[in-house]
Amino acid sequence: SQQGEEDPQALSIQEGENATMNCSYKTSINNLQWYRQNSGRGLVHLILIRSNEREKHSGRLRVTLDTSKKSSSLLITASRAADTASYFCATVPFPYNTDKLIFGTGTRLQVFP
Amino acid sequence: GAVVSQHPSWVICKSGTSVKIECRSLDFQATTMFWYRQFPKQSLMLMATSNEGSKATYEQGVEKDKFLINHASLTLSTLTVTSAHPEDSSFYICSASGDSDEQFFGPGTRLTVL
Repeated sequence: SQQGEEDPQALSIQEGENATMNCSYKTSINNLQWYRQNSGRGLVHLILIRSNEREKHSGRLRVTLDTSKKSSSLLITASRAADTASYFCATVPFPYNTDKLIFGTGTRLQVFP
Repeated sequence: GAVVSQHPSWVICKSGTSVKIECRSLDFQATTMFWYRQFPKQSLMLMATSNEGSKATYEQGVEKDKFLINHASLTLSTLTVTSAHPEDSSFYICSASGDSDEQFFGPGTRLTVL
């Protein structure tokens, strides 16, 4: 079963604008990860945030985690056409005695030049 | 970074035949490998988790006799879709993890069953 739901399902913006995607999950987690997938391709790991962290940055990416609300957000600043892809959050849910990832429903981002 | 390959990248087969998909970790030892399937415009659904040398653990609703998983070495896992039918057509993605938390994903295999 899927752990996370993401919104929006689809997002269209112009180059230079910021894109924000949200992820909600159901159970306690060990960590939450964000991935990117270009159409018909494999996944690229973007960033991992642990349950005891609240915010993390990597280049133009900013991820926040609110464990009280069981939610996370991914912000891509100054977006580029090359950022067009699907973005998924994934969690390692309780009881986290394995490393298995449960993926959210994904957000399809389209950035227009 | 760690590299995971899949072979083949795409396959077309007739209904009733079996198809084997390989997942290899090229530059690290993968103690655990995961198999996912993804339907068009949908998310990845975990099918099974396999640890080297032991039987795979299947997620609820995944038929173990339909999707045979073998993880015979620390660098290779295979998924065999037995007696494939059109509804098995999907994108199959593997991932591998070693010492760290991170999973490294393969590029995926697109299976089309006619």
